[in-house]
Amino acid sequence: NAGVMQNPRHLVRRRGQEARLRCSPMKGHSHVYWYRQLPEEGLKFMVYLQKENIIDESGMPKERFSAEFPKEGPSILRIQQVVRGDSAAYFCASSSAESSYNEQFFGPGTRLTVL
Amino acid sequence: DQQVKQNSPSLSVQEGRISILNCDYTNSMFDYFLWYKKYPAEGPTFLISISSIKDKNEDGRFTVFLNKSAKHLSLHIVPSQPGDSAVYFCAAPGGTSYGKLTFGQGTILTVHP
Repeated sequence: NAGVMQNPRHLVRRRGQEARLRCSPMKGHSHVYWYRQLPEEGLKFMVYLQKENIIDESGMPKERFSAEFPKEGPSILRIQQVVRGDSAAYFCASSSAESSYNEQFFGPGTRLTVL
Repeated sequence: DQQVKQNSPSLSVQEGRISILNCDYTNSMFDYFLWYKKYPAEGPTFLISISSIKDKNEDGRFTVFLNKSAKHLSLHIVPSQPGDSAVYFCAAPGGTSYGKLTFGQGTILTVHP
């Protein structure tokens, strides 16, 4: 029973390039969440998605960031025109629709470095 | 606005002793709390949770206590083991959606042999 998969594990981009982070939820999970951890800080919520729907994007920066969870395939977090301040660890989590209290299971993270 | 706070950045204990990690919250609408453990270069792992209808939940060496009137919860690890050395986060769902987990800043626990 594979856990949450994220790839790539490490991503290096130059300022102005695009970054695409992928997340495959646990089998049977239909809810996906993205969090960002800046150095020396806790995890900050970014966005909550179900298949083909964005449920809560209250933590997403207003510009350059977007997320999707298509009917088929992984969830994608896309960062356009990256800046040095985007350097962080990005974690994806998933949960099942039957989870009463929303226990979320996390992937290993993608560490984005912007040069 | 930090709605979940862990005021101790680090804690050091001896193997076999009790570790107590603390967490405070300000949002009285939170009705469920989770503790996660995180090793370097890995994602957080769910450890234990507690509903606001309880004041204690126990799972093996791990016990979480909730004091609603003080808006305070604590995680007790007894006995502590070197493998428990990690960063511990408390979190609460709620706010703009129940899918949103608000995390504390984390406490680095070091258990010395």
